[in-house]
Amino acid sequence: SAVISQKPSRDICQRGTSLTIQCQVDSQVTMMFWYRQQPGQSLTLIATANQGSEATYESGFVIDKFPISRPNLTFSTLTVSNMSPEDSSIYLCSVRAAEGNRRFFGPGTRLTVL
Amino acid sequence: QKEVEQDPGPLSVPEGAIVSLNCTYSNSAFQYFMWYRQYSRKGPELLMYTYSSGNKEDGRFTAQVDKSSKYISLFIRDSQPSDSATYLCAMSAGDTGRRALTFGSGTRLQVQP
Repeated sequence: SAVISQKPSRDICQRGTSLTIQCQVDSQVTMMFWYRQQPGQSLTLIATANQGSEATYESGFVIDKFPISRPNLTFSTLTVSNMSPEDSSIYLCSVRAAEGNRRFFGPGTRLTVL
Repeated sequence: QKEVEQDPGPLSVPEGAIVSLNCTYSNSAFQYFMWYRQYSRKGPELLMYTYSSGNKEDGRFTAQVDKSSKYISLFIRDSQPSDSATYLCAMSAGDTGRRALTFGSGTRLQVQP
């Protein structure tokens, strides 16, 4: 299985600011994803991070609000821009294993916006 | 109607009980089925992975897929307090492509010592 780390593990931010979350994988992976998990709820896909091209966003999520970078096959960042309290959530990085369709998750970044 | 339905619980059982967790789904294209365990304030951990129909066993865990009924189950034998967590089912239609997983809402399990 892939080992995934995320930074920061948690943060408390002020309204109107931005936070960049980093995701590092211990092996090269073809597909990386960013999810949001709001309190007491299941996971919602934000976007697929594509290496060498723009991320692919799901309905309801836009690049201006959640810019994503993926400079190589082991690293990606998600920025939460112009934050509001509604952005308070856990943000999770996920990768698809090289073989089969197994998906693994990072430990998550717990974001609180005041 | 949601694509994947899962009873949110909480489900409370005594230590040593057999636990049955279930999901139903509506998309007949789903072929890959996963169960994740998520402890409080942690990321989901992949427990079981199944392709198409059938059973898969791993230690105290057994995953079953019935594609004709669009129904999947996770059984936990000899449940332990350390099994207390939220269990998420997830499924996917294809092996390739950008689409990620479709998740159930999760069932919260409490195993009482």
